Parts: sequence; C-alpha cells; structure tokens
Amino acid sequence: EVHLVESGGGLVQPGGSLRLSCAASGFSFSRYSMNWVRQAPGKGLEWISYISGSSRFIYYENSVKGRFTISRDNARDSLYLQMNSLRDEDTAVYYCARDPPQCGEGSCLSGFDQWGQGTLVTVSS
Amino acid sequence: VLTQSPATLSLSPGERATLSCRASQSVSSDLAWYQQKPGQALRLLIYDASNRATGISGRFSGSGSGTDFTLTISSLEPEDFAVYYCLQRKVSISFGQGTRLEMK
Repeated sequence: EVHLVESGGGLVQPGGSLRLSCAASGFSFSRYSMNWVRQAPGKGLEWISYISGSSRFIYYENSVKGRFTISRDNARDSLYLQMNSLRDEDTAVYYCARDPPQCGEGSCLSGFDQWGQGTLVTVSS
Repeated sequence: VLTQSPATLSLSPGERATLSCRASQSVSSDLAWYQQKPGQALRLLIYDASNRATGISGRFSGSGSGTDFTLTISSLEPEDFAVYYCLQRKVSISFGQGTRLEMK
C-alpha cells in the first residue's frame, strides 16, 4: 500500500526558514515524479513545485520561485521542500503528491494519484 | 483557470449530485476530480475526465472535454459529503476553487 507522510511543519517567523520532508513507502519511489501542493486555511489547493524521478526536471510556481527548493533522496525514499524567506501568505497545509505511473519525466497531463495527509506551516510573528 | 459550480451543493442521501468544472481554455480530456475530507488525504476519483481511479465506486462518473466537465454522483451515500476539486495540467497546473457537498 502506498503511503506518503509529511513532516517538518510548524510555527516560524516571517523571513524564517523551514524544511519539509515527505517519506514514501509502498512503491518504487525513484520511478515517480513528485509534487508539493499547499492549501491555505479555508482556501483551495495550489500546486507549488515538481521534481522528476531522476531530479533532472524541476519546476516551481512563480510565487515561490527563488525562495523554495525542492529535492529528493531516492536512496531514502524521501522528498523535501526547503522553504526560505517565508511570508505570512505561505501559511498553509503542505501536501506531497505523486504523479501517476503513466507519466514520464518532465511532463504529465494526468492528475496526481496519491497524496499525503499534509503538514501545517504557520508563518507568524 | 478552472471555475467550479456551485460553490455549495445541499442534497440528501440517495439524491443525484452534479458538479461542474469549466476551464477558461481547452484542456482536452486532461482533467481530474478529487474528494477531500477533513484530516484525510485527498483521494483521486476520476482521471482523464471520465476514467474512474482504482477502487472508486461506480456511483462516481465523470464526463466532458474541452472546457466543460461534470462529476456526477448517482446516488449519494453519507460518506460522499465532502469537498470536491477539479485539476488540470494542460496549461500550467491549476485547481478549481472547490464545491462543498453538504447534507441537507
């Protein structure tokens, strides 16, 4: 059974940093592209970053470009999101989400097929 | 941009639910539907506009192509009351704002 478990969330001051992790199990992690998606309190879903299985392709949503860095360690079956220069508007639940198996490296038109339960990041002074 | 309607849908168990997702430009059939319940991981219901994901009940069906899509729940069960989102990855990546399906 596929499991994605996020961790690393918490309370941080504006301008601070935080590193999120997503531990994967139940599938061959290195073969799948992964994503981070966030949801501000009471709001909808927002995709923020993508990384291909080999880490060759990496994409960011404009509002986090230059501040957030996505990475992965296939030996540890783990996905990461390094978040720097955090702002109030980054307050959200952060989810890791898997691309479906039919997707190749670098692009995918299909919806994410597996999600974690999320970790809450609160940016506040 | 994806626009979902209605924002809230109030129905009773056993009734039929029809949720809409409209794209500002054609996304072909590259649209997915998700169910979100508090404290649970999002669940993929429909991919490629009309294909049910593994393990999804046959009472869920998706239709549409181009700019207009529909998620239909044929006969509501108590566990179906949740928030539903559509997603496209044809033009960047965007979600609809969600439809809350509440019990009347």
